[in-house]
Amino acid sequence: KQEVTQIPAALSVPEGENLVLNCSFTDSAIYNLQWFRQDPGKGLTSLLLIQSSQREQTSGRLNASLDKSSGRSTLYIAASQPGDSATYLCAVRANTGTASKLTFGTGTRLQVTL
Amino acid sequence: GAVVSQHPSWVICKSGTSVKIECRSLDFQATTMFWYRQFPKQSLMLMATSNEGSKATYEQGVEKDKFLINHASLTLSTLTVTSAHPEDSSFYICSVRGNSNQPQHFGDGTRLSIL
Repeated sequence: KQEVTQIPAALSVPEGENLVLNCSFTDSAIYNLQWFRQDPGKGLTSLLLIQSSQREQTSGRLNASLDKSSGRSTLYIAASQPGDSATYLCAVRANTGTASKLTFGTGTRLQVTL
Repeated sequence: GAVVSQHPSWVICKSGTSVKIECRSLDFQATTMFWYRQFPKQSLMLMATSNEGSKATYEQGVEKDKFLINHASLTLSTLTVTSAHPEDSSFYICSVRGNSNQPQHFGDGTRLSIL
């Protein structure tokens, strides 16, 4: 059974810092990995999707890497801003079947202070 | 812009009533739709997976007669919580996915409070 863990569970950084969020998964046989952010009381916003054949994806100040063999992914946020404050979730997808599900990590709650 | 529209965003109702939540895919035809629930400070828990035109597949422990899912078209799925009780109070989120290479997109969620 796939298990996804995110470290740290919570993180507080001053504005402007670069930071790294970690995601690890126990079964390396994944199809893709997706990073989301969730604001309080809201749904999830997709940030980046990395296919199993890819090593990294970038969008603006965000960069996600994937090391499938070691079961790890990182989300790098450059020059953090207060608006980045949210809970960040990673999720892995096992296979290509239409019914294949995402397994979510426990999330990292990020607070960027002024 | 938004990819998924979920309605209503918040509903309060009396115990024993049924509540319907709609989930619409705005930008593409959603082959597969998912329904999740989330308790405070916890991650998402998958309730069921549905493909257009077929019966939903429910996760273990989720009562299919209580949580009715209708995925009638490639852009619309509904979740009906029947005879709702206070323990059904939660945050319900739908999600859509197109083909296998596309990311999964989520609605803004529905906060359900049963009095």
